[in-house]
Amino acid sequence: DVKVTQSSRYLVKRTGEKVFLECVQDMDHENMFWYRQDPGLGLRLIYFSYDVKMKEKGDIPEGYSVSREKKERFSLILESASTNQTSMYLCASSFWPTGLAITDTQYFGPGTRLTVL
Amino acid sequence: GQQVMQIPQYQHVQEGEDFTTYCNSSTTLSNIQWYKQRPGGHPVFLIQLVKSGEVKKQKRLTFQFGEAKKNSSLHITATQTTDVGTYFCAGRFLGAGSYQLTFGKGTKLSVIP
Repeated sequence: DVKVTQSSRYLVKRTGEKVFLECVQDMDHENMFWYRQDPGLGLRLIYFSYDVKMKEKGDIPEGYSVSREKKERFSLILESASTNQTSMYLCASSFWPTGLAITDTQYFGPGTRLTVL
Repeated sequence: GQQVMQIPQYQHVQEGEDFTTYCNSSTTLSNIQWYKQRPGGHPVFLIQLVKSGEVKKQKRLTFQFGEAKKNSSLHITATQTTDVGTYFCAGRFLGAGSYQLTFGKGTKLSVIP
């Protein structure tokens, strides 16, 4: 079974702090994703990476950065946390589909509920 | 940016009733995936649809992809309490950015025993 783990289930930080959220997958997937989930807004893509050291902005990258130094690990960084970054953060991974009909299932981690005070 | 609209946002049904959630895109999708998130859990993949007009079934769940590949639906027959959760569609658009999925906002299903 694919396993995606996230460093913390719950996290409380103060405004202005630098926050690191880590995600590790054990299936040798090329792609990794960071989403945030807020009530009524669904899942919104922050950043994704399709290879080591490669990253692409998603729909809401402002206030975030990412790092992927190893294939299995993808980190989300909040340089200076703000209260509007209080949210559930979900990491996901998938392999790179070699054809249109190939199912590139995204496997999600359990999520980190971040509260910024 | 490109969006996938999903309705309804909430649905309350009596156990045994049917349930349907719909996703619509203004532009053609290359494929669409459906996920289920149980309360307190994380999204879990259900199915992927690729072909125009495709229909797939998983027990009481029926998934459809429209002929124009711009809309999709998930229908649950005779809901059970185990169906409770939020159902998301996630579309992949043709062309640039086709390596990312765009999620709908989800439909939260409540089942009254």
